[in-house]
Amino acid sequence: DAKTTQPPSMDCAEGRAANLPCNHSTISGNEYVYWYRQIHSQGPQYIIHGLKNNETNEMASLIITEDRKSSTLILPHATLRDTAVYYCISVTGTASKLTFGTGTRLQVTL
Amino acid sequence: DVKVTQSSRYLVKRTGEKVFLECVQDMDHENMFWYRQDPGLGLRLIYFSYDVKMKEKGDIPEGYSVSREKKERFSLILESASTNQTSMYLCASSSIGTGNYGYTFGSGTRLTVV
Repeated sequence: DAKTTQPPSMDCAEGRAANLPCNHSTISGNEYVYWYRQIHSQGPQYIIHGLKNNETNEMASLIITEDRKSSTLILPHATLRDTAVYYCISVTGTASKLTFGTGTRLQVTL
Repeated sequence: DVKVTQSSRYLVKRTGEKVFLECVQDMDHENMFWYRQDPGLGLRLIYFSYDVKMKEKGDIPEGYSVSREKKERFSLILESASTNQTSMYLCASSSIGTGNYGYTFGSGTRLTVV
């Protein structure tokens, strides 16, 4: 599975969009990009995943560049409850085994 | 609401004790996983299982074993607990079908070995 790189921390004002970048320059053609988040003292929570196309669900949007070397998770209207560590992970779909990095700590402020 | 349930939220055990951490999922998922999480080290995979009675070592299996006698239950066993096994333990499950490989995690068990 490709290694992913994320900034260690980011700040965002409440109500604004939070854009969390992830670099996965060595990703192969059959690897998905997954995003999870972990709120303090809880288990990680699945947010969204994609292969090539941009994806949107009730929680977030995922924008994957055309060359698939990077992606951005967008929380359109961040709230204080979105304060968490966000993990970007690439994985071969059939392998089903996820390797977590250290993620990005997002702090949403008033 | 579908879920992964870990038997204990907090646990304190003595050095040398045999410790069982239980995990049950109600989603009929084929795959189950045990991770531990430590400050600065992130989540590290201990063991996983793709099917009943099957198990695979993860990245840090030393000092641990697992049991999966039923599809819905995956147990992590610390044969002889040591203080360096003090950690947050997280269980997860996933399905191999339908193209959705998202994990569902339990709330975690914070184990302290004294």
